[in-house]
Amino acid sequence: DGGITQSPKYLFRKEGQNVTLSCEQNLNHDAMYWYRQDPGQGLRLIYYSQIVNDFQKGDIAEGYSVSREKKESFPLTVTSAQKNPTAFYLCASSNPDIWGGWQPQHFGDGTRLSIL
Amino acid sequence: QKEVEQDPGPLSVPEGAIVSLNCTYSNSAFQYFMWYRQYSRKGPELLMYTYSSGNKEDGRFTAQVDKSSKYISLFIRDSQPSDSATYLCAREYNFNKFYFGSGTKLNVKP
Repeated sequence: DGGITQSPKYLFRKEGQNVTLSCEQNLNHDAMYWYRQDPGQGLRLIYYSQIVNDFQKGDIAEGYSVSREKKESFPLTVTSAQKNPTAFYLCASSNPDIWGGWQPQHFGDGTRLSIL
Repeated sequence: QKEVEQDPGPLSVPEGAIVSLNCTYSNSAFQYFMWYRQYSRKGPELLMYTYSSGNKEDGRFTAQVDKSSKYISLFIRDSQPSDSATYLCAREYNFNKFYFGSGTKLNVKP
């Protein structure tokens, strides 16, 4: 079955530590996204990538970093500079049409990150 | 100011009821609006999307956009306990980028 796999499901971070969240998709989608979900707030865009080896900051990129070396993979690193990292992190992908137009985003089942 | 506003609920209804879920949004030059369903500890799953204004129906679900009043609605007919989830609305604000509401939690009681 095609889909998006996020791992781990739960992750704990110590003070001053960087942690990396994995996102892999086998939908052959070009575009991938990282969102953060906090209680009482909508999903907020952290980073997105429209194509391999290219990515752009979203609305809340500070304290995060990404890479896009392969089409299937878009890992997110939560650095020690992110002072409030406790949240539910969601990865999504989509396949914009040949004119760059909209296509729906499909989501993984998320990683819950907590501070130790 | 949030770009998309939703009542957080929870909204509790008996099985078989018609459910109305609503969002308001600020100005949007873009045309796409979406509804996602999210079960606890899971990722959102796309339910419906609409382009511009008007209605779109899919089985028991109807999505409606009223651009003049900046209102997005999702109607669920013959609601089932399996519909119990959090419903997120979203509107496009740039190509392939969306503002999401914080979600309305729905509980359908058997």
